[in-house]
Amino acid sequence: DGGITQSPKYLFRKEGQNVTLSCEQNLNHDAMYWYRQDPGQGLRLIYYSQIVNDFQKGDIAEGYSVSREKKESFPLTVTSAQKNPTAFYLCASSIYGGVAETQYFGPGTRLLVL
Amino acid sequence: AQRVTQPEKLLSVFKGAPVELKCNYSYSGSPELFWYVQYSRQRLQLLLRHISRESIKGFTADLNKGETSFHLKKPFAQEEDSAMYYCALSGVRGSTLGRLYFGRGTQLTVWP
Repeated sequence: DGGITQSPKYLFRKEGQNVTLSCEQNLNHDAMYWYRQDPGQGLRLIYYSQIVNDFQKGDIAEGYSVSREKKESFPLTVTSAQKNPTAFYLCASSIYGGVAETQYFGPGTRLLVL
Repeated sequence: AQRVTQPEKLLSVFKGAPVELKCNYSYSGSPELFWYVQYSRQRLQLLLRHISRESIKGFTADLNKGETSFHLKKPFAQEEDSAMYYCALSGVRGSTLGRLYFGRGTQLTVWP
């Protein structure tokens, strides 16, 4: 373990509130990813970034935002526009974001709505 | 469009029995295929990838381009193999380059 850390482990969101999930890596990887994991749905890509100050939308980006100001950090904000945010969120990284690269995953953050 | 299908949500076998987890994919071209595994209370991690042609923990997976399948097999299942298994596809060009597309997962339970 180690390499990729996510915090907090559990996060509670109130209606209309924005919350930010943290993801940090010390693997010196260029590429970082955010996935949402729902039971029976597998993993769906929210956003990804292959270089600092650049990122692309994944398949379910609506209601989420990200930033990549530092190589080691890729925080995800769940905005009030995300109507069904309750899920398990996984952060991952890979060396360059190229073909056939292994992605390394963090321990996840479970987001619950109050 | 790229898609990964794992038809079995749940799979149960007895210890020592062979196990096969099915994975079919749809992609215009020749993608790279992976199997990831998530053991209870552990992180999601790579089990094996087609490009490496390796056998990990006794598991193998053969890419069948004609059937667009990448089934995961083990001849003798062990209790410690109980986990959630995800098949994944890595795009090789354009906007799919380097992205992973996951199936919905198969929960494998190996009974003693």
